[in-house]
Amino acid sequence: AQSVTQLDSHVSVSEGTPVLLRCNYSSSYSPSLFWYVQHPNKGLQLLLKYTSAATLVKGINGFEAEFKKSETSFHLTKPSAHMSDAAEYFCVVSDPGLGGYQKVTFGTGTKLQVIP
Amino acid sequence: EAQVTQNPRYLITVTGKKLTVTCSQNMNHEYMSWYRQDPGLGLRQIYYSMNVEVTDKGDVPEGYKVSRKEKRNFPLILESPSPNQTSLYFCASSLGGGRVEDQPQHFGDGTRLSIL
Repeated sequence: AQSVTQLDSHVSVSEGTPVLLRCNYSSSYSPSLFWYVQHPNKGLQLLLKYTSAATLVKGINGFEAEFKKSETSFHLTKPSAHMSDAAEYFCVVSDPGLGGYQKVTFGTGTKLQVIP
Repeated sequence: EAQVTQNPRYLITVTGKKLTVTCSQNMNHEYMSWYRQDPGLGLRQIYYSMNVEVTDKGDVPEGYKVSRKEKRNFPLILESPSPNQTSLYFCASSLGGGRVEDQPQHFGDGTRLSIL
């Protein structure tokens, strides 16, 4: 079975302070993990992905995430929030699934508010 | 410019009136997928297609149909729409072949459907 849990539905930070968006997953396989960002009235844009190479993954706009197998976590971080980071963020797990085809599950999303 | 194009972007219609949401990608991608996004539920997969003439059900296929007659197009059909299909819909594509689960998806900007 495959699942994703985003532990916070809303996160509020002040501009210039660190961002932490938490994600836990479960998978029966060695999964690939992604973070996407969605700005209002737009589609989802890839921030970063983990595909069994380095456990610390760097993405666009200063975001990074660390894959921790022992904790089944893939938390998203950024050292210093910017106003333009205000958006909704989705953690996604992807694995081959039972039939060998791609099975994709999205988390329920975390809305990030950045306070000036 | 590489993109996934959905039409229409917004549609208000009535129960039972058949509608089609078109999706087209210009990246020669093999894999395409439809999702619906509802508040608090994240994105849920409706149907996906590994290649031309190959489609399969996702997690919430009831009330929807798809077809994949050409590589670039993947329309979503609601034969008899009902109010519970009011949602925000996204089409996505990825390269396909090989380890599909490793591949990030490219998303359209969404179609907001309201079924009265």
